[in-house]
Amino acid sequence: SQQGEEDPQALSIQEGENATMNCSYKTSINNLQWYRQNSGRGLVHLILIRSNEREKHSGRLRVTLDTSKKSSSLLITASRAADTASYFCATSPNSGNTPLVFGKGTRLSVIA
Amino acid sequence: EAQVTQNPRYLITVTGKKLTVTCSQNMNHEYMSWYRQDPGLGLRQIYYSMNVEVTDKGDVPEGYKVSRKEKRNFPLILESPSPNQTSLYFCASSSPWTSGTNEQFFGPGTRLTVL
Repeated sequence: SQQGEEDPQALSIQEGENATMNCSYKTSINNLQWYRQNSGRGLVHLILIRSNEREKHSGRLRVTLDTSKKSSSLLITASRAADTASYFCATSPNSGNTPLVFGKGTRLSVIA
Repeated sequence: EAQVTQNPRYLITVTGKKLTVTCSQNMNHEYMSWYRQDPGLGLRQIYYSMNVEVTDKGDVPEGYKVSRKEKRNFPLILESPSPNQTSLYFCASSSPWTSGTNEQFFGPGTRLTVL
């Protein structure tokens, strides 16, 4: 059963702009993760934020988590053409950490 | 190099012809999982395994079998493939009890077409 729902489904921006993607989920979580997928390839883990954290940074990535609203956002600053990919949020709904539930993804296109 | 490998990467087959997609990881991960990815549906979990000889159904297990005889391997078996199993398949592994998180490492994918 899919829990995370990303918004928007697709996003197109110019190189250098910031990209923001949102994820909403339904039940309590242990942690929320963001993954990236280049076309037809395997997903790559980007960042994990735990339920007791509100914000996390990794390079040009910034993730926020609002457990009261059951939502998260992923911000990519100063985007590059190489950031073009699909981005998925995944939630871990049980304290036992498994299994992850993935959303349907946001397709990001960064135009040079 | 730490990795998850899948074979074959591409496969075209016919309805009813049994096939196996292999998955292997070299990270000593306890947890392994199979997903299928279809346009508009995202990733859906087929089966997962928390350790050797322990497997559980995911969201879409019908028509699939798995086994976990060794820690590193988690093959996906389609006993009688049908066209609705045409999809992109991913194997993933993680080490939630050792690392404290279930960050998943994905294989490169297997694109299966059933005619």
